[in-house]
Amino acid sequence: KAGVTQTPRYLIKTRGQQVTLSCSPISGHRSVSWYQQTPGQGLQFLFEYFSETQRNKGNFPGRFSGRQFSNSRSEMNVSTLELGDSALYLCASSSRDTWGYGYTFGSGTRLTVV
Amino acid sequence: AQTVTQSQPEMSVQEAETVTLSCTYDTSESDYYLFWYKQPPSRQMILVIRQEAYKQQNATENRFSVNFQKAAKSFSLKISDSQLGDAAMYFCAYRPANAGGTSYGKLTFGQGTILTVHP
Repeated sequence: KAGVTQTPRYLIKTRGQQVTLSCSPISGHRSVSWYQQTPGQGLQFLFEYFSETQRNKGNFPGRFSGRQFSNSRSEMNVSTLELGDSALYLCASSSRDTWGYGYTFGSGTRLTVV
Repeated sequence: AQTVTQSQPEMSVQEAETVTLSCTYDTSESDYYLFWYKQPPSRQMILVIRQEAYKQQNATENRFSVNFQKAAKSFSLKISDSQLGDAAMYFCAYRPANAGGTSYGKLTFGQGTILTVHP
């Protein structure tokens, strides 16, 4: 079974630009969560999608948004990039049967804002 | 709000020795899950071990075991017979058993402990 796939692996963007990151969950997993990882703040929850609906959202500004498609693939978008948005963005997937077993994570997208 | 604290930013161990990583948490929930994740330089978070709060028996997975003290809200990870491949950042994480509302998809992580294994 293929794991969680995140693309691209690396991105370099300029302040003020926008960026879209992609996450393909494990086949059959309908829940996709996104996390931001930075050395200073650690791992912080961004949002979770299930069956194309956002069910939960972390404490991030509106510049951070996401969506989920009917095949459960998810994208997150960051508009008007700031230097502080430089981070590793991780997505994780789960299913109803695996809730108690944590989430399966992808290898992340490393975003650098210059 | 739930919080998870890992008080050891860095730990080191000699190959084949035993090391214990500490984690404490705060929650008002009575039923929840606790996890230890490993993040090697490849960046992928890998689940090492999980514990269900209503089970008193400590979880064990091969060389990895936990010491779960519910009353003390403590959840430490013991790695026995440490191997070079165990070198990584380790994160303790929490999730309420009731995965609804503000808990959907959300794990609360500690700040992580960098484990170095010396040959």
